[in-house]
Amino acid sequence: DVKVTQSSRYLVKRTGEKVFLECVQDMDHENMFWYRQDPGLGLRLIYFSYDVKMKEKGDIPEGYSVSREKKERFSLILESASTNQTSMYLCASSPSAAGLEKLFFGSGTQLSVL
Amino acid sequence: DQQVKQNSPSLSVQEGRISILNCDYTNSMFDYFLWYKKYPAEGPTFLISISSIKDKNEDGRFTVFLNKSAKHLSLHIVPSQPGDSAVYFCAATGNQFYFGTGTSLTVIP
Repeated sequence: DVKVTQSSRYLVKRTGEKVFLECVQDMDHENMFWYRQDPGLGLRLIYFSYDVKMKEKGDIPEGYSVSREKKERFSLILESASTNQTSMYLCASSPSAAGLEKLFFGSGTQLSVL
Repeated sequence: DQQVKQNSPSLSVQEGRISILNCDYTNSMFDYFLWYKKYPAEGPTFLISISSIKDKNEDGRFTVFLNKSAKHLSLHIVPSQPGDSAVYFCAATGNQFYFGTGTSLTVIP
């Protein structure tokens, strides 16, 4: 069965801290994504990656960076956390194929920045 | 600019009745459409999809209809059950996934 695992379900950090959100998938998928979900705004794409060591900016990359050193792991980094980064963060993966057909999501990390 | 739109933030229906969730899109080049269901504090789970070459896809109580000329997508749930209460996101694929803002469905017992 497909599995996308996010390291933390709930996280509380202070303003200015560096925050790491980890995501691991076990399906050998090429593509991995980081979204944030906020009420009334839906899912917004932060960054995505089509291969190891490759990354592409999504719609809202400001204040974030990512790392993909191994195919199965995609990390989201908040360089200096701010209160407006309080949100639900969702990692997802999809097989490469000829096009994008389905995303598999992790359970999410609810991040609170105080 | 929002390429996929869900104009109804919420919907309430009685148990046993039909739920109809709507979605509009702007890009005629989208080639695949999906619906995801999300419970609070959980990640979205895939529900049903449809290719742009089809106009209907059915899976049990769930049916998705695609009207390409109107750039409109709808999800029908018949009969609705209390366990269907969740937020539903429609999505479209091009060079990435584009999500709507979600519709919160409440099924009243």
